[in-house]
Amino acid sequence: KQEVTQIPAALSVPEGENLVLNCSFTDSAIYNLQWFRQDPGKGLTSLLLIQSSQREQTSGRLNASLDKSSGRSTLYIAASQPGDSATYLCAVRHGRGSTLGRLYFGRGTQLTVWP
Amino acid sequence: GAGVSQSPRYKVAKRGQDVALRCDPISGHVSLFWYQQALGQGPEFLTYFQNEAQLDKSGLPSDRFFAERPEGSVSTLKIQRTQQEDSAVYLCASSLGGLGYGYTFGSGTRLTVV
Repeated sequence: KQEVTQIPAALSVPEGENLVLNCSFTDSAIYNLQWFRQDPGKGLTSLLLIQSSQREQTSGRLNASLDKSSGRSTLYIAASQPGDSATYLCAVRHGRGSTLGRLYFGRGTQLTVWP
Repeated sequence: GAGVSQSPRYKVAKRGQDVALRCDPISGHVSLFWYQQALGQGPEFLTYFQNEAQLDKSGLPSDRFFAERPEGSVSTLKIQRTQQEDSAVYLCASSLGGLGYGYTFGSGTRLTVV
């Protein structure tokens, strides 16, 4: 069964710092990987989607990389702001087999950026 | 619609009651998914539809859980005889259907069983 682990579980930093959030997965036969943001009491907002054939994706101050063979992804947040405070979730999807339709999530990294 | 809409946003049920949670996906999205998120955990897969066909229901925790999508658009997740351990946020997501597409999630329904 696919296991997704996110490190650290929580992170508290002052405004302006550059951050790295880590995600690892046990089964490298993934089709894509998606990073989400979740605000308290809210649903999930998609941040970046990386296909298995890609190495990285960028959106504004966010950059996500994928090393499929080693089962790792990182989310880099540049020049963090208080508005970035949220829980960040990593999820992987398989490309074949009986589990084709599902995402496997980590438990998330809870980020707090203080002014 | 512009996004995935879920209703109700909050539901309090007495133990033993039946509940029905609704999901209205993005128009044209073929795939629809239900996830359960316990406090402090990542979402866990429940079930998956491609149009009206339920292709995978292996994540449903018991036979008290039932999902349907009769016309390939709106979906309902029904929980019979609710138990305290059913308390969670229930998230619905939809996708265009191809493997390369990402998922769009709704805001969820927070179910509390008392």
